[in-house]
Amino acid sequence: GQQVQQSPASLVLQEGENAELQCNFSSTATRLQWFYQRPGGSLVSLLSNPSGTKHTGRLTSTTVTKERRGSLHISSSQITDSGTYLCAMPPTGGNNKLTFGQGTVLSVIP
Amino acid sequence: AQTIHQWPVAEIKAVGSPLSLGCTIKGKSSPNLYWYWQATGGTLQQLFYSITVGQVESVVQLNLSASRPKDDQFILSTEKLLLSHSGFYLCAWSPGPQDTQYFGPGTRLLVL
Repeated sequence: GQQVQQSPASLVLQEGENAELQCNFSSTATRLQWFYQRPGGSLVSLLSNPSGTKHTGRLTSTTVTKERRGSLHISSSQITDSGTYLCAMPPTGGNNKLTFGQGTVLSVIP
Repeated sequence: AQTIHQWPVAEIKAVGSPLSLGCTIKGKSSPNLYWYWQATGGTLQQLFYSITVGQVESVVQLNLSASRPKDDQFILSTEKLLLSHSGFYLCAWSPGPQDTQYFGPGTRLLVL
């Protein structure tokens, strides 16, 4: 089945530093979706893009579907960015399953 | 604007007892609906999805069942809880199967 691998598993940054999160997937995907999971558990959709680069605020998502990889860049990290970042592959074919990676836990310290 | 609501916020239940978790979506007709489960420290797994009223597809078998009695309502249930059912349950919706999914606030379940 589909697999999604994220790296690093965890990351500690000082406030103001940039973060680069990686996502690799096992089969052809039309796009990647990035989520932020708050410490309480709820998910917030951040970015969803097919091959190419997409920006929103301090976030930049880059997806290279042919190489089955994607990344999320967070610039000028803030303490409130701390949490878990998940990437997910959308359903393929007739399968309605969204497959998540295990996440990167980001801790931003003063 | 669309809103998604889940209930209850949290539950503590005994092994062998029944469970019913609910999810409603307002502001969107005929949404695709999904149930996810996350064990503590684990990966989010999709359990069920539904593209229309009365139709539910199972993705992962966890001795749970799901139903969609109304266009805007999705119910997750079981007659007998297991310890392994503990975790965090999330409901989500999307306009279509390939579209971005939007998640509810979740229900935290502890089975003792």
